[in-house]
Amino acid sequence: NAGVTQTPKFRILKIGQSMTLQCAQDMNHNYMYWYRQDPGMGLKLIYYSVGAGITDKGEVPNGYNVSRSTTEDFPLRLELAAPSQTSVYFCASSWDNTDTQYFGPGTRLTVL
Amino acid sequence: AQSVTQPDIHITVSEGASLELRCNYSYGATPYLFWYVQSPGQGLQLLLKYFSGDTLVQGIKGFEAEFKRSQSSFNLRKPSVHWSDAAEYFCAVAPGGSNYKLTFGKGTLLTVNP
Repeated sequence: NAGVTQTPKFRILKIGQSMTLQCAQDMNHNYMYWYRQDPGMGLKLIYYSVGAGITDKGEVPNGYNVSRSTTEDFPLRLELAAPSQTSVYFCASSWDNTDTQYFGPGTRLTVL
Repeated sequence: AQSVTQPDIHITVSEGASLELRCNYSYGATPYLFWYVQSPGQGLQLLLKYFSGDTLVQGIKGFEAEFKRSQSSFNLRKPSVHWSDAAEYFCAVAPGGSNYKLTFGKGTLLTVNP
């Protein structure tokens, strides 16, 4: 099993550009999550999904969109990138809402 | 809403010394509690978790944590630190009965001197 994979590892965007961060898991987990980690801060939940076709907002959803068309994939879309979205983004997955969350290696995004 | 405080931003210990990382939480009922470790450039790995039962929880890599309801604390301990333990450690809390809305502390960076 590859676990949770994220692409790309690094990306630099210009203000106003858009991009999609990819996340995939091969553990057949129902729950998937997107977090962002700013320097000196803990992770903050952006969006989560409890199954294909079902998504909900976390603590900091503004400026982001998600979709979950399959169990395996949970892409995060940034429209109109802003410097405030410079961060490290982590995807995670779990079997259910009491299971351990397993994290991907992260995507480091810089918006200039 | 729940919250987590990790009072120590940075701790330095010598290899072989004991370690205690502090975590205090705020939540109205009994929460689910977690400790994660993040090595440089890596994602987070779960060290241990407390859901209920025995308040002393054993985790991987020789770590343990004790849940103290009266102090709203969940401190992480290790009797003898190894150089490979150098990393950032995050305490997290979730509402009891569900772990999918984790709230993380700001983390404690551990440096291990030879």
